[in-house]
Amino acid sequence: DVKVTQSSRYLVKRTGEKVFLECVQDMDHENMFWYRQDPGLGLRLIYFSYDVKMKEKGDIPEGYSVSREKKERFSLILESASTNQTSMYLCASSPILGQGRQPQHFGDGTRLSIL
Amino acid sequence: KNQVEQSPQSLIILEGKNCTLQCNYTVSPFSNLRWYKQDTGRGPVSLTIMTFSENTKSNGRYTATLDADTKQSSLHITASQLSDSASYICVVGVNSGGYQKVTFGTGTKLQVIP
Repeated sequence: DVKVTQSSRYLVKRTGEKVFLECVQDMDHENMFWYRQDPGLGLRLIYFSYDVKMKEKGDIPEGYSVSREKKERFSLILESASTNQTSMYLCASSPILGQGRQPQHFGDGTRLSIL
Repeated sequence: KNQVEQSPQSLIILEGKNCTLQCNYTVSPFSNLRWYKQDTGRGPVSLTIMTFSENTKSNGRYTATLDADTKQSSLHITASQLSDSASYICVVGVNSGGYQKVTFGTGTKLQVIP
């Protein structure tokens, strides 16, 4: 089974802090994604990566950056955390080959609170 | 604008009953439609994936249908169990260059009660 592991289930940080969210997948998938999930809004794509050191902006990249130094690891960085970044953050991975018929595999999320 | 709308927003049913969840989309060009189940506090898990040429796909007690002409899909749950209590998310994929772009619905929250 594919396993996507997010480093923290719950995280509390202060406004202005630099925050790192880590995600590791064990299936050698090329694609990795970061989403945030807010009530009534569904999942919104922040950034994705289709290869090591490659990244593409999603729908809401402002205030975030990402890093992919190794194929299995994709990090989301909040450069200067703000209260409107309080949310559930979900990481996902998927293969490129046959991606139209392959699901994304999600981690269990990190619930981030910015005080 | 690509959109995926789900109905109802929430639903309560008795254990053992059937239910049907709806998904309408305006995404184009359509590539595939996925249904995910998300338990509280967990990440979404894939139930079914259908491409343009498929109009039904089953996974145990879950059956998804797709009408690509009317841009509608439904997820039917048969003989519901307490463990079916979850949010069900409809996701539509499009081909955008060399990679898939997906649009998520906001989900239907299902509660199955004894």
